[in-house]
Amino acid sequence: SQTIHQWPATLVQPVGSPLSLECTVEGTSNPNLYWYRQAAGRGLQLLFYSVGIGQISSEVPQNLSASRPQDRQFILSSKKLLLSDSGFYLCAWRRGGETQYFGPGTRLLVL
Amino acid sequence: QKEVEQDPGPLSVPEGAIVSLNCTYSNSAFQYFMWYRQYSRKGPELLMYTYSSGNKEDGRFTAQVDKSSKYISLFIRDSQPSDSATYLCAMSYNAGNNRKLIWGLGTSLAVNP
Repeated sequence: SQTIHQWPATLVQPVGSPLSLECTVEGTSNPNLYWYRQAAGRGLQLLFYSVGIGQISSEVPQNLSASRPQDRQFILSSKKLLLSDSGFYLCAWRRGGETQYFGPGTRLLVL
Repeated sequence: QKEVEQDPGPLSVPEGAIVSLNCTYSNSAFQYFMWYRQYSRKGPELLMYTYSSGNKEDGRFTAQVDKSSKYISLFIRDSQPSDSATYLCAMSYNAGNNRKLIWGLGTSLAVNP
């Protein structure tokens, strides 16, 4: 069966510090991978998606970036965090079909 | 106008009640319709997935799609306190080499014992 991992689970970072969130998927190959941010009352916002290694599509302009160095690894990064980057970050995968499957999420608080 | 509209609630019901959750949409290109359940501080989990108009049942859950009215519903029978969560609707369409999901904001449900 497929499993998706995210870490860390919770992160508190000062404004201006760098960020690296990691997502890995097990039990499947060549999945589509997604990064979402969920802010209170604002629903799920798609940030990036990837259809393969090194292939990243950005949905919204921001100070975040994403990379996919391996087939089942997806990384979300920032060089300098802003207060507005606080939120719940979710990684998801899809392999054929229509549905996406989510990881447990990372709660980020920027102070 | 947002592509997908969902009343955020909160919705509070007594245990055993029938719950009706709804989403409306404006884009006729949507082909697939999903309901996800999200417990507090957890990732969303897929509950139901439908394609055509009509009803789909899974245990206490029934998903209903009315493409002519651009309206989808999720019914929960004999609701339990463990059903307390946020319910998100999502709809997908073909966007080039990828299928995109458009999300509702989610409805917060509390089932009181």
